[in-house]
Amino acid sequence: SAVISQKPSRDICQRGTSLTIQCQVDSQVTMMFWYRQQPGQSLTLIATANQGSEATYESGFVIDKFPISRPNLTFSTLTVSNMSPEDSSIYLCSGLQEGGREQYFGPGTRLTVT
Amino acid sequence: RKEVEQDPGPFNVPEGATVAFNCTYSNSASQSFFWYRQDCRKEPKLLMSVYSSGNEDGRFTAQLNRASQYISLLIRDSKLSDSATYLCVVNHSGGSNYKLTFGKGTLLTVNP
Repeated sequence: SAVISQKPSRDICQRGTSLTIQCQVDSQVTMMFWYRQQPGQSLTLIATANQGSEATYESGFVIDKFPISRPNLTFSTLTVSNMSPEDSSIYLCSGLQEGGREQYFGPGTRLTVT
Repeated sequence: RKEVEQDPGPFNVPEGATVAFNCTYSNSASQSFFWYRQDCRKEPKLLMSVYSSGNEDGRFTAQLNRASQYISLLIRDSKLSDSATYLCVVNHSGGSNYKLTFGKGTLLTVNP
């Protein structure tokens, strides 16, 4: 199993600013992902964080808006840039161990943009 | 058609009831299937994988019908602690191209 922590757990930010969310896994994971979950909605994959290279973004998400880093097998960051109220959401980090079937999730970062 | 579609719910059942959730997926090439559980204001956690032959884990039974692209979850003798949102999850990609797609979830409330 893997235990995933995220910082901050929540934040209230002004529009136009940026927030970086950190994700730490207690063991090495092959794959790391970032999701967004808006109230009453399902999880939407933002991108797959690739170690040592650029993340792979899903349709509708771009690097300039959501830059991602993954310097090693246990850590990743997601930045939400130039925020607007529409970015208010819960952002979840997730990891998958090699050969594993279960994708583990962090507790999420609850972001409110005013 | 949505990639993963679930019963809209919500479901309100008494303790001890049997409740079934249904889910359909659009991509016939989907590789693997799961039910995740998400408690209020918590992260999703794997409840069980779904295998072609069907599988059971205690009070929970999952079924997969590839021909109909349909997945189900049956909960027997429901407990108060079963109250949560149940997410149908499909891995649309195979091999190293791994990607989970989540349904919107079905909210279950088990009442005393």
